[in-house]
Amino acid sequence: DAKTTQPTSMDCAEGRAANLPCNHSTISGNEYVYWYRQIHSQGPQYIIHGLKNNETNEMASLIITEDRKSSTLILPHATLRDTAVYYCIVRVANTNAGKSTFGDGTTLTVKP
Amino acid sequence: EAGVAQSPRYKIIEKRQSVAFWCNPISGHATLYWYQQILGQGPKLLIQFQNNGVVDDSQLPKDRFSAERLKGVDSTLKIQPAKLEDSAVYLCASSDHLVNEKLFFGSGTQLSVL
Repeated sequence: DAKTTQPTSMDCAEGRAANLPCNHSTISGNEYVYWYRQIHSQGPQYIIHGLKNNETNEMASLIITEDRKSSTLILPHATLRDTAVYYCIVRVANTNAGKSTFGDGTTLTVKP
Repeated sequence: EAGVAQSPRYKIIEKRQSVAFWCNPISGHATLYWYQQILGQGPKLLIQFQNNGVVDDSQLPKDRFSAERLKGVDSTLKIQPAKLEDSAVYLCASSDHLVNEKLFFGSGTQLSVL
């Protein structure tokens, strides 16, 4: 699976959009981008995934660049409860999900 | 829908002692995972089960760690004997299919080895 690079930490004001970047310049054509988050003292939680089209669900939006070398997870109206570590993972879909490799993620702190 | 249940929530032991963790996945989920998460790092897969069979245990330190899922439902992870470097959070996750990208995690067991 391709390697991902994320900033170590980011801050965001409550009510504003949080934009979390992820670089995956070695991604291959059949690899999807997945996002999880981990709130303190909890296990990771699946957020969203996509291949090349932008995706949106009730939690977030995922914007993938046309060359697919990077992506951005957008939390449109961040709340204090969105403070968490966010993991960007790249892997081939329809393969063993256990092969997903979690890096160290981005610690997002939402401030009042 | 009940989530993934893990117990105990916290455990403190001395080195060279043994410890066991229990996990009950979401009902109907065939795939079960055990992860180790050291402070400040992302989770690392230790072992993966499909029903009661092992799919991947390549990163499990088999000289001291063991895991079982005898009836294809709940699972236990054991460490014997524990070392200081085993201090971590042990997470259990499940999914309804081997290739399902959505993993559901429990809250984990925080182990401190003194």
